[in-house]
Amino acid sequence: GAVVSQHPSWVICKSGTSVKIECRSLDFQATTMFWYRQFPKQSLMLMATSNEGSKATYEQGVEKDKFLINHASLTLSTLTVTSAHPEDSSFYICSARDKAPHSTDTQYFGPGTRLTVL
Amino acid sequence: QKEVEQNSGPLSVPEGAIASLNCTYSDRGSQSFFWYRQYSGKSPELIMFIYSNGDKEDGRFTAQLNKASQYVSLLIRDSQPSDSATYLCAVRSAGGYNKLIFGAGTRLAVHP
Repeated sequence: GAVVSQHPSWVICKSGTSVKIECRSLDFQATTMFWYRQFPKQSLMLMATSNEGSKATYEQGVEKDKFLINHASLTLSTLTVTSAHPEDSSFYICSARDKAPHSTDTQYFGPGTRLTVL
Repeated sequence: QKEVEQNSGPLSVPEGAIASLNCTYSDRGSQSFFWYRQYSGKSPELIMFIYSNGDKEDGRFTAQLNKASQYVSLLIRDSQPSDSATYLCAVRSAGGYNKLIFGAGTRLAVHP
């Protein structure tokens, strides 16, 4: 149980294009999903918290107009990197919080999406 | 002061030894603590969580929590080369959305 998927697992795009990353909780409902970014040899950096049916909460320094987050259902959140530039190249990881009464209320991570912007 | 602090390592231990990973946190109101393992190029995977003071054992892993000292640790018994990874300590914040605050991670290297 507690499986989170991400799609695509890797993407290469040209500078100026937009890229959408999907995060799905496969066997549980996730009222809250989190988006992280990780640069090589650095720790996870939380970008935003996404709640189903409401606007995402962005961390300080993260541009909400550049990183669009949509949490349309209890099992799906999407992150769109708009007008991507080479400095946006990173490993993007989502996590989902299993908040069901029987759960341990922990965050489970997706496998990550490696974005390379040329 | 960082909210969650870990020694970056690398911590090098021989195969079969006990690896001890430490983490301190600054928010005294924190209630939930997690250890994740992250292999290079992969996303974190949950190893253990602990909520109460004391020890919690799961197979070769033991998490220890001391809220008075704001300290949480992870012991790995009978370390194997496959345990070589970065171990992330995470603390759930008491604020809104219960987001996790991660330490920078400790790199563990288990050598044969």
